Amino acid sequence: DQQVKQNSPSLSVQEGRISILNCDYTNSMFDYFLWYKKYPAEGPTFLISISSIKDKNEDGRFTVFLNKSAKHLSLHIVPSQPGDSAVYFCAASEGQGAQKLVFGQGTRLTINP
Amino acid sequence: GAGVSQTPSNKVTEKGKYVELRCDPISGHTALYWYRQSLGQGPEFLIYFQGTGAADDSGLPNDRFFAVRPEGSVSTLKIQRTERGDSAVYLCASSLTADSAQHFGDGTRLSIL
Repeated sequence: DQQVKQNSPSLSVQEGRISILNCDYTNSMFDYFLWYKKYPAEGPTFLISISSIKDKNEDGRFTVFLNKSAKHLSLHIVPSQPGDSAVYFCAASEGQGAQKLVFGQGTRLTINP
Repeated sequence: GAGVSQTPSNKVTEKGKYVELRCDPISGHTALYWYRQSLGQGPEFLIYFQGTGAADDSGLPNDRFFAVRPEGSVSTLKIQRTERGDSAVYLCASSLTADSAQHFGDGTRLSIL
């Protein structure tokens, strides 16, 4: 039973354009969400997070949007750069202090020059 | 400063053998986590330590898997009677406190022949 789903296994975007990565969840107890970025042969790197008390969090080129009623979140990257090419994982937990992260399957983002 | 270090980076062994995977967390981080990532999937939670004790081991798949953290720093994940289905990348993460972001190591790629 996949509680966190990333339905797009891959996404290709032109350099300079906006990249939008999507994530859906089914567990209504989740109230803290994170995005991680992963390069080949490396561990995931934390990018940005959002608590369910907010609907948007921004950090430089990265913005995460949360729609609690739809149980949906998205990561926007603008402008996209070649170094953004990686696999992106959405993760969720029951509370910011919760230690067990539940990850989606990942979306491979490719930025084309 | 040094990140989370995992050794070995690769381990190949035969079915039925015993393996130990080591994790050195970031200095001063009190919380330590183990995840397992199979091909094409996101990381899957195994176990969480707060200090020396396993606070949540609900993700361990069966009693062949065991983890220790005797001095509250380095942790070892132990797998007995390995099976081909145990082949995966085993990721370790640490965080400063229980509610701060988890920082991942590069993982150990375990292959059971």
